[in-house]
Amino acid sequence: DVKVTQSSRYLVKRTGEKVFLECVQDMDHENMFWYRQDPGLGLRLIYFSYDVKMKEKGDIPEGYSVSREKKERFSLILESASTNQTSMYLCASSLEDWHTEAFFGQGTRLTVV
Amino acid sequence: DAKTTQPTSMDCAEGRAANLPCNHSTISGNEYVYWYRQIHSQGPQYIIHGLKNNETNEMASLIITEDRKSSTLILPHATLRDTAVYYCIVRAAGNQGGKLIFGQGTELSVKP
Repeated sequence: DVKVTQSSRYLVKRTGEKVFLECVQDMDHENMFWYRQDPGLGLRLIYFSYDVKMKEKGDIPEGYSVSREKKERFSLILESASTNQTSMYLCASSLEDWHTEAFFGQGTRLTVV
Repeated sequence: DAKTTQPTSMDCAEGRAANLPCNHSTISGNEYVYWYRQIHSQGPQYIIHGLKNNETNEMASLIITEDRKSSTLILPHATLRDTAVYYCIVRAAGNQGGKLIFGQGTELSVKP
């Protein structure tokens, strides 16, 4: 089975902290994605990566950065967490062939206080 | 990317077919239609995708109109476990990422 694993299910951080959300996939997928999900707004794409060290901005990249040093790992970084970044964060991966399905992790519910 | 329009919510009786519509009138010729669903407190799960022909798998059937401007996802015998938000997505073509853009989805409630 394909597995996309997010490092934490729940996380509480203070305003101004630097926050790392980690995502690991075990299927040698080229593409990896970070989304956030908020009530009434659905899933919104923050960043995606189609190869190691490659990244592209999604729809809402402000306040976030990403790192992909290894193919299996895609990190989302909140440089200085703010309360409006309280949300559910979802990681996904897929093969390079854009026809294929994406596999999602279980999500990290981040609360910034 | 082509945008999609779905009803906000739908109800379906357990054991009956659930038919979930999606409009994608600006779809381009090389864009596929994908369906995902998200059960409460879980990540989205892939269901099915298609280009222009009807598709069927163990989970559902996908009917795409001849002009490709709309599609319908059919769950032939809905169960309570099918209660979820269903997303219709037109996937961006290209070599990089093929990113998924999610709309608001349809909240399907399957009732006993």
